[in-house]
Amino acid sequence: AQSVSQHNHHVILSEAASLELGCNYSYGGTVNLFWYVQYPGQHLQLLLKYFSGDPLVKGIKGFEAEFIKSKFSFNLRKPSVQWSDTAEYFCAALPQTGNQFYFGTGTSLTVIP
Amino acid sequence: EAGVTQFPSHSVIEKGQTVTLRCDPISGHDNLYWYRRVMGKEIKFLLHFVKESKQDESGMPNNRFLAERTGGTYSTLKVQPAELEDSGVYFCASSPLGTGGSYEQYFGPGTRLTVT
Repeated sequence: AQSVSQHNHHVILSEAASLELGCNYSYGGTVNLFWYVQYPGQHLQLLLKYFSGDPLVKGIKGFEAEFIKSKFSFNLRKPSVQWSDTAEYFCAALPQTGNQFYFGTGTSLTVIP
Repeated sequence: EAGVTQFPSHSVIEKGQTVTLRCDPISGHDNLYWYRRVMGKEIKFLLHFVKESKQDESGMPNNRFLAERTGGTYSTLKVQPAELEDSGVYFCASSPLGTGGSYEQYFGPGTRLTVT
């Protein structure tokens, strides 16, 4: 069955610390991969996406993610977090032949000033 | 360009009552999706419209949920009668018509439904 796993449920970091959020997916075919972010009181926004090509994708606000096909992973990274990065982060997979997203359970990130 | 909008933002109802959630997609987006997040769990797919037609409703929990998209514009999701386990955040998303996995989906702010 298709699924997406996010390993960290709650992460607390100090400003300027580096961030890596894990994401693994399970799907038999080709998928497009996404990271969405939901800031407090706001709607889900796209951070970055991977469809094909360079497995290292860069998104908004200094975020990047690396697609490793052999590990079925799409981890999100940021070298230096800011207080404004406090939010919930969702990894999602969208099968290329399908229409519905498969989301992970989300990771709540709190950045302490 | 206006984003996806949802109404209401919050709804608190008693068990057994009826609630109708509304979603207005981005203008011109023929694909419209409903998702739900129960507290602490993942966001789960409910159903997908292409214009006014239900393309996939495999995620609908049971027949207490009824979704419509008359005219292929806005959509409503009615829960009747509501049960405690229906509490959660209901998200709507839209995307342009095209190959299913080719486009990101644009999400609305969600409707937080609390059934007491």
